[in-house]
Amino acid sequence: DTEVTQTPKHLVMGMTNKKSLKCEQHMGHRAMYWYKQKAKKPPELMFVYSYEKLSINESVPSRFSPECPNSSLLNLHLHALQPEDSALYLCASSQDASGGGTDTQYFGPGTRLTVL
Amino acid sequence: AQTVTQSQPEMSVQEAETVTLSCTYDTSESDYYLFWYKQPPSRQMILVIRQEAYKQQNATENRFSVNFQKAAKSFSLKISDSQLGDAAMYFCAYRSPMDSSNTGKLIFGQGTTLQVKP
Repeated sequence: DTEVTQTPKHLVMGMTNKKSLKCEQHMGHRAMYWYKQKAKKPPELMFVYSYEKLSINESVPSRFSPECPNSSLLNLHLHALQPEDSALYLCASSQDASGGGTDTQYFGPGTRLTVL
Repeated sequence: AQTVTQSQPEMSVQEAETVTLSCTYDTSESDYYLFWYKQPPSRQMILVIRQEAYKQQNATENRFSVNFQKAAKSFSLKISDSQLGDAAMYFCAYRSPMDSSNTGKLIFGQGTTLQVKP
């Protein structure tokens, strides 16, 4: 089963709110990713966690705060967002970000975020 | 740095016909991995097919096949017997081989929107 789940499906928040996005996988993968995607554009990588440690931060503003409580779970905490942060947020996982072979990223269905 | 180019923003195909989506990439690496992902309006990115650069044989998954031309740095996707459910945005993606400084970053093309006409 190549399933990555994300909650919530939709989220509307004000600029002063604090909210969190959740991502879960039960494939035994040890790498997890957050992407931001604007309409009709490719996903943009935000963060990579490898073995529960942050390995890549693509210069993302501090109003986005990732957290990896365990190997199956990935959160993205949101605070003081701007309207331009409205987008689809995708989570992905792969077997091992530092391994070899055809390590493939599997994506979740995404959370559609609207910032008012 | 590696780049991926999809030169067709939109394509259309008649149901049951065959369509080919283009993808070219630029790299100085000899070993790498290429992927095609599909993103329907339902928005989930779904892996369609993957290809290892060291393999000369073109990958095939049911109605989906690729034409991998390593020297030309081309990786096109052929969809045979197109179905209404194939309508989606298709992204071509490149990944470098893993090493201590690489964490599996995918480099995406800009995408091609495929319309399937009944």
